[in-house]
Amino acid sequence: DTAVSQTPKYLVTQMGNDKSIKCEQNLGHDTMYWYKQDSKKFLKIMFSYNNKELIINETVPNRFSPKSPDKAHLNLHINSLELGDSAVYFCASSQRTSGVVEQFFGPGTRLTVL
Amino acid sequence: AQSVAQPEDQVNVAEGNPLTVKCTYSVSGNPYLFWYVQYPNRGLQFLLKYITGDNLVKGSYGFEAEFNKSQTSFHLKKPSALVSDSALYFCAVGNQAGTALIFGKGTTLSVSS
Repeated sequence: DTAVSQTPKYLVTQMGNDKSIKCEQNLGHDTMYWYKQDSKKFLKIMFSYNNKELIINETVPNRFSPKSPDKAHLNLHINSLELGDSAVYFCASSQRTSGVVEQFFGPGTRLTVL
Repeated sequence: AQSVAQPEDQVNVAEGNPLTVKCTYSVSGNPYLFWYVQYPNRGLQFLLKYITGDNLVKGSYGFEAEFNKSQTSFHLKKPSALVSDSALYFCAVGNQAGTALIFGKGTTLSVSS
């Protein structure tokens, strides 16, 4: 059973398009995250949701909008895609009520904007 | 602000030799430290963590890490490297609110046979 899953695995699209990435976790965790890994492999937090509520929103363009329909899902919608949005996006989850604990990561979605 | 530094972009080691991947941290308050590994075209896998307690932390796949408060370090170690250990290794620190991990830039480990 996949603990944290993301779809799609690969996403190739044109500049200016709108796209979504979906994430689901079956671990029963209360907190979910989106991270961006750039071409130099640097990882940075984008958003953090706890029990469907946004708790972290780093300096991310407002073209990026996370949506959490329930505790097990956190989707990432991106409007008006730009070349610089090309990256690998990772979803993660953790049980934050247990304190500062490890996060479990999905396999990533490689977004290529042409 | 919390941060971690991984001073080496790449570490090369021969199979069977011990390996060390370095990490230093800067935090205000208690450090919550993690190591993750990323294989090519894969997600991050959790290896081990230090929250409190013993300075030597044992993790998955035979890895361990030593927490050193005076040197603000959390180096990853393994007594005998395997070719299959070749991957990208990330050190991370949890922010105090527990809402994010702050990652180092990563160290590529290459184990030769």
